[in-house]
Amino acid sequence: SQQGEEDPQALSIQEGENATMNCSYKTSINNLQWYRQNSGRGLVHLILIRSNEREKHSGRLRVTLDTSKKSSSLLITASRAADTASYFCASLNQNTGNQFYFGTGTSLTVIP
Amino acid sequence: GAGVSQSPSNKVTEKGKDVELRCDPISGHTALYWYRQSLGQGLEFLIYFQGNSAPDKSGLPSDRFSAERTGGSVSTLTIQRTQQEDSAVYLCASSPPGAKETQYFGPGTRLLVL
Repeated sequence: SQQGEEDPQALSIQEGENATMNCSYKTSINNLQWYRQNSGRGLVHLILIRSNEREKHSGRLRVTLDTSKKSSSLLITASRAADTASYFCASLNQNTGNQFYFGTGTSLTVIP
Repeated sequence: GAGVSQSPSNKVTEKGKDVELRCDPISGHTALYWYRQSLGQGLEFLIYFQGNSAPDKSGLPSDRFSAERTGGSVSTLTIQRTQQEDSAVYLCASSPPGAKETQYFGPGTRLLVL
């Protein structure tokens, strides 16, 4: 069963605004990742944050991780229409070591 | 270089038939994953291959599902006696040695069981 949950399920914003998505997970993790999926396509890896990190930046992306709350957030600043996609968090289960658990995703629409 | 490729891109089959889905990982990638994504849902882990080690099959939903990886490269996911609930997108991903956290996904195979 999946162990990640994202919220909101859907988010619609104007171009130029910031988008924040949240992810919660259930078990201990080694790291957490965020992926983007454009409609009808495979997933693209965006960023990985390790369990001993609290914040990480990559271009317009900012990821935070709170292991005490078992939650992470993805912030996309100055959004563009091309950011329209579904965003998933994925965590590597520390107990199994092999299985990545993906959340149900946040569908982001950026209106030009 | 070439990314992960999957074939066919779309497959329509009748209930009860067997299907084979193929994944060609990125050359040199030792880890290979299969996932299933139902409409509007996240990814469900199915199976994991790492080099010559025994695969982690713990995610396969039933004994109708099986997968092979020949020569440490190409993988085939087989679904026997397909059911309508098997309809989903089947995604394959590979990872380079020492970096299994970074998965490179193929475009997926969209399976529709009528």
